[in-house]
Amino acid sequence: GNSVTQMEGPVTLSEEAFLTINCTYTATGYPSLFWYVQYPGEGLQLLLKATKADDKGSNKGFEATYRKETTSFHLEKGSVQVSDSAVYFCALSDKGSGNTPLVFGKGTRLSVIA
Amino acid sequence: SQTIHQWPATLVQPVGSPLSLECTVEGTSNPNLYWYRQAAGRGLQLLFYSVGIGQISSEVPQNLSASRPQDRQFILSSKKLLLSDSGFYLCAWSGRTGAPDSPLHFGNGTRLTVT
Repeated sequence: GNSVTQMEGPVTLSEEAFLTINCTYTATGYPSLFWYVQYPGEGLQLLLKATKADDKGSNKGFEATYRKETTSFHLEKGSVQVSDSAVYFCALSDKGSGNTPLVFGKGTRLSVIA
Repeated sequence: SQTIHQWPATLVQPVGSPLSLECTVEGTSNPNLYWYRQAAGRGLQLLFYSVGIGQISSEVPQNLSASRPQDRQFILSSKKLLLSDSGFYLCAWSGRTGAPDSPLHFGNGTRLTVT
């Protein structure tokens, strides 16, 4: 079956540090890949997505590249801010099953300190 | 534009009491609807999803049930709450079939504490 594995947190960084949150997936087909962000006390918001191999999703300074050869979709940001403190979820959808819910990783908590 | 409303925001209930959480979506038709639970240290767990009125798929057998009485209304219920039902409950919607890349749109969640 489909699954997503994320690096365990929490991750604590100083402001302006470089961020990488690893995500690898297992899928039977060619899924679409997503990163969601959850700020404290809120629901999840879509951060970025990529729908095919070598696609790069980007938003708010975050980037992730769909790597089919390594089945990965690592999230990166060159310079984090305190406001980036949140929980980040990697997820995939099976393109062959339009109504199948997204499969989420367990989430990685990021804390950025000034 | 589409919006999703979920209430209440917080709830404290005694063990054995009933539960009803409601979620409504505006600005779209025939959405797929979902209930997730987020428990401390356990990530996001899909509880139920629905592709249409009266159509409910249960992902995890448990003390909860879901209903979809109207196209844009999704209700999560329990007859008798357990301590283990405590958590953060999230409702979400997505576009219908044919758009598997359609992202999920989440409500702001309900923090349930069972005492």
